[in-house]
Amino acid sequence: DTGVSQDPRHKITKRGQNVTFRCDPISEHNRLYWYRQTLGQGPEFLTYFQNEAQLEKSRLLSDRFSAERPKGSFSTLEIQRTEQGDSAMYLCASSWQGASGNTIYFGEGSWLTVV
Amino acid sequence: AQRVTQPEKLLSVFKGAPVELKCNYSYSGSPELFWYVQYSRQRLQLLLRHISRESIKGFTADLNKGETSFHLKKPFAQEEDSAMYYCALSGSGGSNYKLTFGKGTLLTVNP
Repeated sequence: DTGVSQDPRHKITKRGQNVTFRCDPISEHNRLYWYRQTLGQGPEFLTYFQNEAQLEKSRLLSDRFSAERPKGSFSTLEIQRTEQGDSAMYLCASSWQGASGNTIYFGEGSWLTVV
Repeated sequence: AQRVTQPEKLLSVFKGAPVELKCNYSYSGSPELFWYVQYSRQRLQLLLRHISRESIKGFTADLNKGETSFHLKKPFAQEEDSAMYYCALSGSGGSNYKLTFGKGTLLTVNP
């Protein structure tokens, strides 16, 4: 499967611990996105990379959150000092910005439960 | 600010009946509109986008700029259409990177 892959798929952590999620986009895609989804809501935009540059961060992304995309390939999303309110599905997506449009492909997500 | 509203959280129809999932949007510009679908235990995937004007799996959606709506329709629902449907919006051109999603509608097609 050459789709967007995310790891781990599930993570249970104690409040105050740090967690890191990894995303491997579709190989030729130059854009990478992180979204968050909570129960009963649609995905909410967190941040986006064009190659290795992080071009926008949502106000939802507090100082405890940091995302990187070294070398413009895979990306990591780290949450420091987790809180119960961080419990959510974290979705990664990627796309190729081209003249024909910008179809965004999603991964299966990483479920985070903070206890 | 851009906003997408899906007024129905749940929609239940019988097989063979027509189905319409409603979507209204707010955007000060020319948006691109999408429908995404998530089948049970599968990832979110693009169903259709308004600029393609395609019919996918029998679904169509017409962008109505006057009513700011992008309702998804299918004349004869099938059981395999049961899924979560999300309407989404992005800006056009240089601001087409960010999707704003509605809260979704769970469609159940009963036999």
